[in-house]
Amino acid sequence: EAQVTQNPRYLITVTGKKLTVTCSQNMNHEYMSWYRQDPGLGLRQIYYSMNVEVTDKGDVPEGYKVSRKEKRNFPLILESPSPNQTSLYFCASSSPGGRGNEQFFGPGTRLTVL
Amino acid sequence: RKEVEQDPGPFNVPEGATVAFNCTYSNSASQSFFWYRQDCRKEPKLLMSVYSSGNEDGRFTAQLNRASQYISLLIRDSKLSDSATYLCVVNIGWQNFVFGPGTRLSVLP
Repeated sequence: EAQVTQNPRYLITVTGKKLTVTCSQNMNHEYMSWYRQDPGLGLRQIYYSMNVEVTDKGDVPEGYKVSRKEKRNFPLILESPSPNQTSLYFCASSSPGGRGNEQFFGPGTRLTVL
Repeated sequence: RKEVEQDPGPFNVPEGATVAFNCTYSNSASQSFFWYRQDCRKEPKLLMSVYSSGNEDGRFTAQLNRASQYISLLIRDSKLSDSATYLCVVNIGWQNFVFGPGTRLSVLP
């Protein structure tokens, strides 16, 4: 089954404790992105990647890091989480051309930073 | 001013009604346009891409007006299962996507 998976789905942590949210896709997509979703603000792009070892900042990259060492994986790293990073996070992947760049989203990771 | 704006709703309509959502975007260099659907606490899923000539998929019709920087979505013969939040999405280039805040729709029996 074609899918994007994220882990963990739920996470409660404390300020300053480094964490990683994993994202993996099995569709051989070139493009991957991370978003955060907050009430009233909609989804905002954090980082995106055009291919292996090619990443770029989205609209809200501060406090986040990403890496793209393999095509299928695109982990999101919070080196020193803060309470304002409490949010719902989505990973997405897409391939050039298909349905005008349709993005396939993972199920989301709900993060709470205390 | 937000890059992509939508009426947040909620729109409460009876089954069978026709409902229209509007979306405006500020970046005139925007390249492609989409409507996504998001059910409560779930991931967004593509409803339809929006083409300059307008396009239709069953009960759903999308229109794009580049001159006015305006996108619309029309849903005819609303079903209970159409209840969701509808997200207007604009690609401003190089996989840089901007989402609107979404419009919530509730279809009532």
